[in-house]
Formats: sequence, C-alpha cells, structure tokens
Amino acid sequence: KNQVEQSPQSLIILEGKNCTLQCNYTVSPFSNLRWYKQDTGRGPVSLTIMTFSENTKSNGRYTATLDADTKQSSLHITASQLSDSASYICVVSRMDSNYQLIWGAGTKLIIKP
Amino acid sequence: GAGVSQTPSNKVTEKGKYVELRCDPISGHTALYWYRQSLGQGPEFLIYFQGTGAADDSGLPNDRFFAVRPEGSVSTLKIQRTERGDSAVYLCASSLSGPGQGNSPLHFGNGTRLTVT
Repeated sequence: KNQVEQSPQSLIILEGKNCTLQCNYTVSPFSNLRWYKQDTGRGPVSLTIMTFSENTKSNGRYTATLDADTKQSSLHITASQLSDSASYICVVSRMDSNYQLIWGAGTKLIIKP
Repeated sequence: GAGVSQTPSNKVTEKGKYVELRCDPISGHTALYWYRQSLGQGPEFLIYFQGTGAADDSGLPNDRFFAVRPEGSVSTLKIQRTERGDSAVYLCASSLSGPGQGNSPLHFGNGTRLTVT
C-alpha cells in the first residue's frame, strides 16, 4: 500500500534551535519526494523537490535529505525563527502519476520565543 | 498575478444549494489541479487540467462535482446539491508543466473554505 508516514506528529522548540523532521514512505514506483510548508489557513508552499538520484537539497535554512534505498527523508531546519511555525508535509509522487500525490499527515512545528 | 488566487476565501451555503469556486492560476501555467483538504489531513486529489481539457477527473467523488477551464486559465469547480460532507477547504494549484514533463512544483492558492449547513 502506498503510504507516507511522518514523525513526530508535533514538535515544540525554542527560537534559534535546530530541528529535524522525519518521513518514511512505501510508495512505488517512486518519482519524487517533496516537502511543503503549510501555515494555518493558507495553501501549502513548496520547499524542496527531490528525485531518486538526489541525496540532499537545500532551500535557505531548510535542508532535505533522501535515502531512496531505505525510503526515508528528513527535513532539517537550522536556526529556527518564529515564522517557521507551521505544518511541514512530506509528499511523494508515483512514477505513473505526478499529481495524484501521496501526502503525509504532517508535523506541526511550533517555535517558541 | 503573483500567485494562485482563489475566490471566495470563505463560502457558507445551505444543504442542497449549488456553489461555484473560482481559481485564477499563475499566468502561463498550463497545468491546474483541484484538491480538497479536511481538517488535519493532507489534500485529496480531485481533478487535473492540462490546458482546457480535464486530463484526469478520477478524484471527483461523484457526479455532483464538476470543473471547467474553458480558456485554459481560470477554472471553476462546481458543486450541485451540496451536502454537509462537502464541507472542507478546496485548494487549487497550478504548475508550469504537467506530469512527466519535469518535476515542476505545485503552487497552491490559499483555498476556499466551504461550509455546508
């Protein structure tokens, strides 16, 4: 069954600290893995997209990693800011459908001052 | 515009009524998608347009739901005889190219929150 699981479900950290969010998937055939940030009441915003051959990709203070062998991905946030408070969603697309995306439930991240 | 625009941002309607939700994609984006998101869940695929045609409408839950994109830009999602279970946030996304043409990111609008009373 095609699934995307994320952990932790929620996370609270202090401003300025780093954190890492995890994503495991069982989607096959794999096309790409995306991390989205979704603020409350807003649409998801793309952070990174990684294909099978990419191990790491950065977008500012966000760094995503992908291990296609173990089917695991992580999103590392460096020097967190209050504006990083949001849900972070891992999304995997299948080779045969790049738009019927398989969404994880997300990690709700709260940054405290 | 700079991003995907959806109107209205909120819509409250009575059970049994007809509603239309509008999406203005990013200019030049040929691919347009509609998703539905319930609280605490990821978006659920409804329909995908490439240009004016619906390339895949397999996600539409039943024949009360219909979407059009007559000129290949603005799209309208239409729901007939609304039911309370239709209450959700309806998200529209667009991308520069469609599936199989590179890994273009999806750009989402902020959604229309539909409440059926």
